[in-house]
Amino acid sequence: GNSVTQMEGPVTLSEEAFLTINCTYTATGYPSLFWYVQYPGEGLQLLLKATKADDKGSNKGFEATYRKETTSFHLEKGSVQVSDSAVYFCALSARAGGTSYGKLTFGQGTILTVHP
Amino acid sequence: EAQVTQNPRYLITVTGKKLTVTCSQNMNHEYMSWYRQDPGLGLRQIYYSMNVEVTDKGDVPEGYKVSRKEKRNFPLILESPSPNQTSLYFCASSSITGELFFGEGSRLTVL
Repeated sequence: GNSVTQMEGPVTLSEEAFLTINCTYTATGYPSLFWYVQYPGEGLQLLLKATKADDKGSNKGFEATYRKETTSFHLEKGSVQVSDSAVYFCALSARAGGTSYGKLTFGQGTILTVHP
Repeated sequence: EAQVTQNPRYLITVTGKKLTVTCSQNMNHEYMSWYRQDPGLGLRQIYYSMNVEVTDKGDVPEGYKVSRKEKRNFPLILESPSPNQTSLYFCASSSITGELFFGEGSRLTVL
């Protein structure tokens, strides 16, 4: 079956530090890959996505590249801010039944705390 | 504004007392689903629906029911809640691209 593994947290950084959150996956076929972010007390929001190998998703200074050869989709940001403190989830969507809808399989989430 | 609305946001109940968590979306999405979020486990899918009157089990369906009588609504029903169903629940709807739009969550405590 499909699975997503994220680096264990929590991750604590100082403002302006470089961030990497590792994500690897196991899936049949050609999944789409996502990063979702959950701010305190809120639901999940899509941060970025990539739908095919070598695609780079980017948003709000965050980037992730779909690496099929290493089955990875690591999240990076060059300079984090206090406002980036949140829980980050890596997820994959594998096509089901030939439709475009895909059930999302999530990683366990990584808590990021950024200090001033 | 495009949104997924869940109610209630917080609920404390007792074992065996039936409850329903409502979910409504205004984006005309066909696909809707329910997830539960537990520490260290991420989000796990409970049930999903591909369209009106079409529902199917996710990864952890035991103890839950759903219905999809209208496109916009997808309620989650706990017929006889138990303490192991204490969790944070999220409803989501999906566009054709597969991107999920989440509600703000419903925190349920079963005593």
